Amino acid sequence: DAGVIQSPRHEVTEMGQEVTLRCKPISGHDYLFWYRQTMMRGLELLIYFNNNVPIDDSGMPEDRFSAKMPNASFSTLKIQPSEPRDSAVYFCASSLEGWWEYSYNEQFFGPGTRLTVL
Amino acid sequence: QKEVEQNSGPLSVPEGAIASLNCTYSDRGSQSFFWYRQYSGKSPELIMFIYSNGDKEDGRFTAQLNKASQYVSLLIRDSQPSDSATYLCAVPRFNAGGTSYGKLTFGQGTILTVHP
Repeated sequence: DAGVIQSPRHEVTEMGQEVTLRCKPISGHDYLFWYRQTMMRGLELLIYFNNNVPIDDSGMPEDRFSAKMPNASFSTLKIQPSEPRDSAVYFCASSLEGWWEYSYNEQFFGPGTRLTVL
Repeated sequence: QKEVEQNSGPLSVPEGAIASLNCTYSDRGSQSFFWYRQYSGKSPELIMFIYSNGDKEDGRFTAQLNKASQYVSLLIRDSQPSDSATYLCAVPRFNAGGTSYGKLTFGQGTILTVHP
């Protein structure tokens, strides 16, 4: 399997521009997660989907951020308008269904998209 | 208090030594814990999962959990330069029904450097 695929790997844009990050999860995985990682705040969960449906978006920082999953093999994270404080590495991860307190299905992370907003 | 706290380091150990990484958590109800390793410029990868008090060993890695004191640690024996990375502790969050859907809260991570 190719693993989780993210594009672009690097994105440099100017403040105010729209940014769209893309993710292809591992085939057959039911869950998809979007994370953001910065030096100051560490790795934070933004939103996750189960079977293409958003389950929890409480980590989405502002209305400028939106995420969609139109089908099982594709998801986007959009920032409009972008601001310099959005500069971070954005990771997408996917896993099979099934989490319990004493068992789990591993989340596999994509390579990330490094976003720089000037 | 943060949900998950780690000493950011950096922690520097000589090759062959034991590296000890610590993580404390605030929710007494937390039952299970993860350790992820993240090389510079790369994505996190899972290295250990533990849910029982005591030790869990996997090769050179040992996770230790003490629920009474609310800490979980990771020991790396015979440390190698290839172990140099950031180590992230993560705790799954559960809803009232006991399901998690994989929602993880991560610590800030500890930077480990193993020097030859």
